[in-house]
Amino acid sequence: GEDVEQSLFLSVREGDSSVINCTYTDSSSTYLYWYKQEPGAGLQLLTYIFSNMDMKQDQRLTVLLNKKDKHLSLRIADTQTGDSAIYFCAQGTYKYIFGTGTRLKVLA
Amino acid sequence: NAGVTQTPKFQVLKTGQSMTLQCAQDMNHEYMSWYRQDPGMGLRLIHYSVGAGITDQGEVPNGYNVSRSTTEDFPLRLLSAAPSQTSVYFCASSYGGVPIHLGGEAFFGQGTRLTVV
Repeated sequence: GEDVEQSLFLSVREGDSSVINCTYTDSSSTYLYWYKQEPGAGLQLLTYIFSNMDMKQDQRLTVLLNKKDKHLSLRIADTQTGDSAIYFCAQGTYKYIFGTGTRLKVLA
Repeated sequence: NAGVTQTPKFQVLKTGQSMTLQCAQDMNHEYMSWYRQDPGMGLRLIHYSVGAGITDQGEVPNGYNVSRSTTEDFPLRLLSAAPSQTSVYFCASSYGGVPIHLGGEAFFGQGTRLTVV
């Protein structure tokens, strides 16, 4: 079946860039998403990319999509302590397949 | 506009007990779904519904039942709780068939943390 993989942890210093990576197996999804989960909270849509795009930029966030390698990445520029959270990549329409989540820790 | 509301926020059950996790949305969304979140495993789909009266199984449906008698509500029933069902449960809703750039985003509840002892 479909599978979405992420590394579990990432630690960066405040002000540095963070890059969170994701690989997926199902190439039929129209959209790929990044969700953010803050401690004790639900998931919030951070950004998304249409499958026919290679890159999408949204303020401090840059999403890169490599369809050939089925690789998705999220770059957060000038990472702040408020960015500390779990980040999930996901694919699907009304029912989603989520990655395992990457816990980002930002060190002051 | 409350969005997606889940109750309770926390629950402790004994093995073998049954209970219902409640989920309600006030956005007139057609699609609703239940996920469980376990460490290192992300979110896995339990059951979903594409409209009132229509439900289907997701990836991990065993031990859970759902029904969708109204558009607003999508309760998840644990028939006989087991320690393996200790998890955080999330309900989500979205408009059916609407692309995300036109407002088809999925909204998630705050979660229910369930412990089965």
